[in-house]
Amino acid sequence: AQSVTQLGSHVSVSEGALVLLRCNYSSSVPPYLFWYVQYPNQGLQLLLKYTSAATLVKGINGFEAEFKKSETSFHLTKPSAHMSDAAEYFCAVSDPSYSSASKIIFGSGTRLSIRP
Amino acid sequence: DAGITQSPRHKVTETGTPVTLRCHQTENHRYMYWYRQDPGHGLRLIHYSYGVKDTDKGEVSDGYSVSRSKTEDFLLTLESATSSQTSVYFCAISQSIGDREKLFFGSGTQLSVL
Repeated sequence: AQSVTQLGSHVSVSEGALVLLRCNYSSSVPPYLFWYVQYPNQGLQLLLKYTSAATLVKGINGFEAEFKKSETSFHLTKPSAHMSDAAEYFCAVSDPSYSSASKIIFGSGTRLSIRP
Repeated sequence: DAGITQSPRHKVTETGTPVTLRCHQTENHRYMYWYRQDPGHGLRLIHYSYGVKDTDKGEVSDGYSVSRSKTEDFLLTLESATSSQTSVYFCAISQSIGDREKLFFGSGTQLSVL
């Protein structure tokens, strides 16, 4: 069975500050890991994904995440927050042996607020 | 934007009434999914389809049924709506080759059951 835990339902940072959103996973097989972003009144968009290649994954809008097997973590970071980064962020895990996205498990989400 | 249209965008209904939500895609993607989004729970899979007339249950399928008679349309039906089904419903699509986990989401349907 797989699961994902996002630490902190709400994170607030100042504009220009480091963004760190935490995600820990549990998986009985080497997982695929994802971060999705949801802007207000929109559906989710894929931000980045880890599929067993490089452990440091770069995504859109300056975000990146590092897969750390020893810590079972996949934290999302961005060096300098912009006002436009305000959104809800979802970490997700899946089993690579399945051919559909039916086994993607989403975390409960972290709402990121940016202070001027 | 991926060609996904959800209808209606908003609906208010009464307990015990049937409700059908529609998802229409223009991408010819094989897989289609229905999720519900609730505070503190993230997204949970209700049902999904891997082809015309081929569907399967997800994590929270009780009280819901689906149908897919054409590649482009995936319907979600609440046979007898309950207040616990008040939620935001998202349709998503994906391909089975290459970026199979790259889900494209619709804009959602806000359903309120009174």
